Amino acid sequence: GENVEQHPSTLSVQEGDSAVIKCTYSDSASNYFPWYKQELGKRPQLIIDIRSNVGEKKDQRIAVTLNKTAKHFSLHITETQPEDSAVYFCAANTGFQKLVFGTGTRLLVSP
Amino acid sequence: GAGVSQSPSNKVTEKGKDVELRCDPISGHTALYWYRQRLGQGLEFLIYFQGNSAPDKSGLPSDRFSAERTGESVSTLTIQRTQQEDSAVYLCASSFLTSTPEQFFGPGTRLTVL
Repeated sequence: GENVEQHPSTLSVQEGDSAVIKCTYSDSASNYFPWYKQELGKRPQLIIDIRSNVGEKKDQRIAVTLNKTAKHFSLHITETQPEDSAVYFCAANTGFQKLVFGTGTRLLVSP
Repeated sequence: GAGVSQSPSNKVTEKGKDVELRCDPISGHTALYWYRQRLGQGLEFLIYFQGNSAPDKSGLPSDRFSAERTGESVSTLTIQRTQQEDSAVYLCASSFLTSTPEQFFGPGTRLTVL
C-alpha cells in the first residue's frame, strides 16, 4: 500500500522568510496530492492540491511542486506570516479515493 | 449548506465503557472517512465508506472498534470496552467522489478515557 513520508517534523522561520515542506510517496499509481493545514484545536483544512498531470500549482503565497519520477512533492510558502503557524499535512491517494497522510510538519513563524 | 458535523464535541468516559461517536457528512457526499488523531500526532485512517460498497475497515485497530453508515448519510463509530490508549480526537471527513477527491473534515470528537 501507499506510504507517505514527510520532512521536516518541525520548522521554525522568521516572518517574511520562505518555508518548504517535502513529502515522498511510494505508490506510483497515486495521482492526487493534497496539503492540509491544521491550526491548534481546529480541523484540517485543504490549502492546495495537485494532480499528477501537473508539475506545479500556485495560489498566492503558496505553491506545490510534484516530481512524479522521483515520487516526491513539496509545499512552498513565501513571505511567511505569523498566521501561517500551524501543522501542515501532505497526503497521497491510494486506490480511488482513500488518502494516506504524512506525519505532519509543525511550522512556527516568528515575528 | 452546512459542513461536516460531529457529536459530541467532547466525551469523557471511564475505562471499560462503550462510546458512540456520530458524524453527519455534507449532504450529497458519497464517501465518508473516520480518522484518529492522538495528541500531537498525525491522522490515522480507521475506516472508509463509499456508497453501497463494502466499507474499507483496514485501519480499525482492534475488534473493539466498529462503524456503521446508513446509506449516504449519518455514520456512527462505536468503541467498545474503551481503554486509555483510545483517548484521542476522532475526525470524520466526507467527499463527493465524482468531482474531486477533496475531503472535508468535521470538527472532531475529543475522547478522553479515564
